[in-house]
Amino acid sequence: ETGVTQSPTHLIKTRGQQVTLRCSSQSGHNTVSWYQQALGQGPQFIFQYYREEENGRGNFPPRFSGLQFPNYSSELNVNALELDDSALYLCASSRGERSYNEQFFGPGTRLTVL
Amino acid sequence: AQTVTQSQPEMSVQEAETVTLSCTYDTSESDYYLFWYKQPPSRQMILVIRQEAYKQQNATENRFSVNFQKAAKSFSLKISDSQLGDAAMYFCAYRTYYGGSQGNLIFGKGTKLSVKP
Repeated sequence: ETGVTQSPTHLIKTRGQQVTLRCSSQSGHNTVSWYQQALGQGPQFIFQYYREEENGRGNFPPRFSGLQFPNYSSELNVNALELDDSALYLCASSRGERSYNEQFFGPGTRLTVL
Repeated sequence: AQTVTQSQPEMSVQEAETVTLSCTYDTSESDYYLFWYKQPPSRQMILVIRQEAYKQQNATENRFSVNFQKAAKSFSLKISDSQLGDAAMYFCAYRTYYGGSQGNLIFGKGTKLSVKP
């Protein structure tokens, strides 16, 4: 069983640019959640996709957007990058949207905004 | 809104000894889940142990056990017989019982655990 994978591993962008991060969910999982982990902090919830629809969102501005595809893989898009967007971005997949469904995390994408 | 607080930024333990990591949380809900996650330097977050709030019995997973005090809103993690591989960031997390659009994992700031040989 393949675990959660993310690409790219590292990314460097400049302020104002746009970025797309990708996540492949674990086999059999239909829910993907994205988290932002700033240096020295715990992860913060960005949004969740369940069966290709966004069904939960944290306190992040609209320039953070996402997609989930029919194979349940997902993208996180960030427009108009700001220096504070520098962070580790984690995705997690689960079998369903309910809280009892364990979330399995990917290794993350380290984004640096200069 | 729910919050999770980890008051120990760093902890250290001697190999083979026992260490306890602290976590407190704030919520007005009666049903919820609590978790401890481990994030080694390689970054992949791994679930260590979870506790359902409606269960009075403390969860255990091999060398890992929790002390869940619902009234005090406290959820500590005890690691027995510490091993070098236990060195990592440990995050305490909360999740509302109903999930879905009601919210996702809420994490504390973490405790960095070092294990001395």
